[in-house]
Amino acid sequence: SQTIHQWPATLVQPVGSPLSLECTVEGTSNPNLYWYRQAAGRGLQLLFYSVGIGQISSEVPQNLSASRPQDRQFILSSKKLLLSDSGFYLCAWNPLAAQQETQYFGPGTRLLVL
Amino acid sequence: QKEVEQDPGPLSVPEGAIVSLNCTYSNSAFQYFMWYRQYSRKGPELLMYTYSSGNKEDGRFTAQVDKSSKYISLFIRDSQPSDSATYLCAITSGGSYIPTFGRGTSLIVHP
Repeated sequence: SQTIHQWPATLVQPVGSPLSLECTVEGTSNPNLYWYRQAAGRGLQLLFYSVGIGQISSEVPQNLSASRPQDRQFILSSKKLLLSDSGFYLCAWNPLAAQQETQYFGPGTRLLVL
Repeated sequence: QKEVEQDPGPLSVPEGAIVSLNCTYSNSAFQYFMWYRQYSRKGPELLMYTYSSGNKEDGRFTAQVDKSSKYISLFIRDSQPSDSATYLCAITSGGSYIPTFGRGTSLIVHP
């Protein structure tokens, strides 16, 4: 069966510090991968998605970036965090090979920027 | 007008009640309809998905799609306190693989 992992689970970082969040998927090949942010009381905001290694599409211009160095690994990064980067970051995958539109989410990383 | 509208609630019901959660959408190209359940401080969990008008049942949950009215619903029968969560609808047009999510409805089932 397929599983998705995210770490760390919780992170407290000072303003201006770098960020690296990691997401890995097991049990599938060539998935679509997504990064979302969910701010308190707000909906899911799509940040990046990837259809393959090295292929990244950005949905929202900001100080975040994403990379996909391996087929089942998706990394969200920042060089300098802002207060507004605080939120709940969710990684998701989609089984492209099954031609389904459904997405499956990881457990999330809660980021607090102080 | 947002592409997907969902009342944020909260919706508070007694245990055992039938719950109706709803979303409306504006894009006629939408074809795939999903419902997610999200417990506090957890990632969303896929509950049901469908791509046709009509009803789809899974245990106590029934998903209903009315494409003519651009209206989707999730019904929960015999609601339990463990159903207390935020429920998000998600809709895609065929082939995009990028859903448009509603903002979620907070459901509280009290004993």
